[in-house]
Amino acid sequence: DAGVTQSPTHLIKTRGQQVTLRCSPKSGHDTVSWYQQALGQGPQFIFQYYEEEERQRGNFPDRFSGHQFPNYSSELNVNALLLGDSALYLCASSLGPSGGTDTQYFGPGTRLTVL
Amino acid sequence: AQSVAQPEDQVNVAEGNPLTVKCTYSVSGNPYLFWYVQYPNRGLQFLLKYITGDNLVKGSYGFEAEFNKSQTSFHLKKPSALVSDSALYFCAVRDNYGQNFVFGPGTRLSVLP
Repeated sequence: DAGVTQSPTHLIKTRGQQVTLRCSPKSGHDTVSWYQQALGQGPQFIFQYYEEEERQRGNFPDRFSGHQFPNYSSELNVNALLLGDSALYLCASSLGPSGGTDTQYFGPGTRLTVL
Repeated sequence: AQSVAQPEDQVNVAEGNPLTVKCTYSVSGNPYLFWYVQYPNRGLQFLLKYITGDNLVKGSYGFEAEFNKSQTSFHLKKPSALVSDSALYFCAVRDNYGQNFVFGPGTRLSVLP
């Protein structure tokens, strides 16, 4: 049973560029959430996708956008990269919606470095 | 708004001794509480969760946590620590309106041989 997978593992970009990160959920899961984890901090919620729509969004600017495909995989896009966007980006999948009781399972993350 | 506090940045414990990693929370409505562990350069691994019922929750790798509603706490415990338990531990909370996780800042656990 494959867990959550993310690609690429590492990515280096320069300020102003755009980046796309990819996530495949755990088998049987239909909901994908994205988190940003800055160095030394806990993950912060970016947004969640279910049925190919953005269902919830955290306190992130519109430069952060996403997409969910019919096979439940998801992409996170970040435009006009800033130095402060350097972080570990985590994808989590779950079976939802379930009113908050579902467990989210996390992928290994994509380490983004913005120079 | 939901919030989670982990009052200790670092916890050191000797191998074989009991360990406790503290977590307090604030939510409107009923809390759903989770513990995750993160090893270096890895994603988060689920340990256990409290949704309802028995206040003592047992999880993976011998960990357990006790929900205390009056103290709004959900401390993680293990009777006998292993060196391999050394990692970063995160407490997370959601409310019963289904809002997404709010994570605490993390506590680094070091188990000394």
